[in-house]
Amino acid sequence: DAKTTQPPSMDCAEGRAANLPCNHSTISGNEYVYWYRQIHSQGPQYIIHGLKNNETNEMASLIITEDRKSSTLILPHATLRDTAVYYCIVEQAGSARQLTFGSGTQLTVLP
Amino acid sequence: KAGVTQTPRYLIKTRGQQVTLSCSPISGHRSVSWYQQTPGQGLQFLFEYFSETQRNKGNFPGRFSGRQFSNSRSEMNVSTLELGDSALYLCASSSRQGGTDTQYFGPGTRLTVL
Repeated sequence: DAKTTQPPSMDCAEGRAANLPCNHSTISGNEYVYWYRQIHSQGPQYIIHGLKNNETNEMASLIITEDRKSSTLILPHATLRDTAVYYCIVEQAGSARQLTFGSGTQLTVLP
Repeated sequence: KAGVTQTPRYLIKTRGQQVTLSCSPISGHRSVSWYQQTPGQGLQFLFEYFSETQRNKGNFPGRFSGRQFSNSRSEMNVSTLELGDSALYLCASSSRQGGTDTQYFGPGTRLTVL
């Protein structure tokens, strides 16, 4: 069973920041938070991951709360191409090759 | 680097037949994982191969099997196909970064069982 809770859907205006929340209240100390997204009928795409600290890469930023019970994925300037299902996944490092996907959040970027 | 490739992209079979799907990982990646995606069950892990050995297996019947070759290419086989096996089959290869593995998925093979 997925260890995360995400809203089923969100809308965001093009050019604005998209902030996608994820609740993982039962996360263990050795579990990472991973974010993947899946554009319709394509294979999932890795976005970012983190353990304790906030992380940023060319695609997004990941903000993890101090108690690690929740996190937020931030797409700083959403475009129409960011419309996708976003999956927040919590796994131990040793299980990162057998991910447990939940239902994710359908993000729709509106023109 | 070329991404993960999967062949064929689309496949139509009938019940009772068997099917073999192929996956070529990103060059240098030695781990290949397979997933099944259906509208009802979502994305589910099938199995993972590393250096020609199956390391992990999901909760699927024995009709689902796989193998990996010395060049890291992988195949999965489904025997005695059932209607419920209609799905998008995804493979992913992994690389180690930031203390853990990240998976890179292929475009998938869309299997339709009639």
